[in-house]
Amino acid sequence: NAGVTQTPKFRILKIGQSMTLQCAQDMNHNYMYWYRQDPGMGLKLIYYSVGAGITDKGEVPNGYNVSRSTTEDFPLRLELAAPSQTSVYFCASSYSTTVTEAFFGQGTRLTVV
Amino acid sequence: KQEVTQIPAALSVPEGENLVLNCSFTDSAIYNLQWFRQDPGKGLTSLLLIQSSQREQTSGRLNASLDKSSGRSTLYIAASQPGDSATYLCAVAIYNQGGKLIFGQGTELSVKP
Repeated sequence: NAGVTQTPKFRILKIGQSMTLQCAQDMNHNYMYWYRQDPGMGLKLIYYSVGAGITDKGEVPNGYNVSRSTTEDFPLRLELAAPSQTSVYFCASSYSTTVTEAFFGQGTRLTVV
Repeated sequence: KQEVTQIPAALSVPEGENLVLNCSFTDSAIYNLQWFRQDPGKGLTSLLLIQSSQREQTSGRLNASLDKSSGRSTLYIAASQPGDSATYLCAVAIYNQGGKLIFGQGTELSVKP
């Protein structure tokens, strides 16, 4: 199994550009999450989903959008990129984080210049 | 609002030493607490998951404890090795909020040969 796959691994965006960070999991997990990690700040939850068609905001959703049309995929959309969105983005999934461990992708390092 | 704190932020020990990492949380309404390891430039790997009804979990040289009433967890690493050098993060799954994981800022561990 591939687990949680994120693409791309690195990206440089200019201010005002848009992009989609891709996340796919092949473990048939219901729960999926997007986090951003800034140096020394831990991980902050952007959006999460408890199943296909269901999404909800996390701690820092402004400037981002998500969709969950299938169980496998959970893309994160950045509209009008800003320097404050420079960060490392992690996607995670779990069968159910209420009882089971979460699996993380390798991350996408995004720089907005 | 749930807040998770990890102390210390960084720790350096000689090889072979036993060590304890600390994690505290403000709201005891959790499903579970997880400890993760993160190597530089990599994603997170789950080490141990303790359900809210459990007191501890063990895996090899790692032992994690949970005291929900006091809002504390510890990760004990026995006979530390240079390969244990990494950042260790704890996270709690919040009760009644889709099991959202809230992370601490992490403890950066360096084990010197």
